[in-house]
Amino acid sequence: EAGVVQSPRYKIIEKKQPVAFWCNPISGHNTLYWYLQNLGQGPELLIRYENEEAVDDSQLPKDRFSAERLKGVDSTLKIQPAELGDSAVYLCASSDSGEQFFGPGTRLTVL
Amino acid sequence: AQSVTQLGSHVSVSEGALVLLRCNYSSSVPPYLFWYVQYPNQGLQLLLKYTSAATLVKGINGFEAEFKKSETSFHLTKPSAHMSDAAEYFCAVSGTGFQKLVFGTGTRLLVSP
Repeated sequence: EAGVVQSPRYKIIEKKQPVAFWCNPISGHNTLYWYLQNLGQGPELLIRYENEEAVDDSQLPKDRFSAERLKGVDSTLKIQPAELGDSAVYLCASSDSGEQFFGPGTRLTVL
Repeated sequence: AQSVTQLGSHVSVSEGALVLLRCNYSSSVPPYLFWYVQYPNQGLQLLLKYTSAATLVKGINGFEAEFKKSETSFHLTKPSAHMSDAAEYFCAVSGTGFQKLVFGTGTRLLVSP
């Protein structure tokens, strides 16, 4: 069974540019999570989806971050415009109400 | 609110030695507790979890952890370290099942031959 797929794996952009990350969860998993992992830190939840609905987005900086999960499967996380401090790993995870399964992450570098 | 504290950002052991990674938690409700491992450039993988059943929890790769309410601890141990255990380990807590995980800052385990 395929795990959580994320792309791209690495992204380098200049500040003020937009960037988007894509996540394909494990088939059948209704819950999808986006996490931010800064260097030397543990993951921090940005947003959680139950099917198409964002049920917890309290930690998502809504001035520049947005996310969507159309059709309740794939999800996209966008940053516009990116800032230097956004350099981090962005992790996607999915679950079927139990254990969370994590993807390999997208490492973003903002120059 | 829930939080975890991982003592020691780095732990070094020799191959074959005991591994002990420390985690203390704070929770206003009975917690669920987790240990995850992260290898370089990979996502997190669940090692084991405590969900209010047995206090001694056995996980994958020979790891285990013991829930001690009196000490608010959930330390991770392995009797004999292997080179392949070198990775970053994260303790996490949740007060609402598996969903709202709060992670610690991680401990990097270094294993020398």
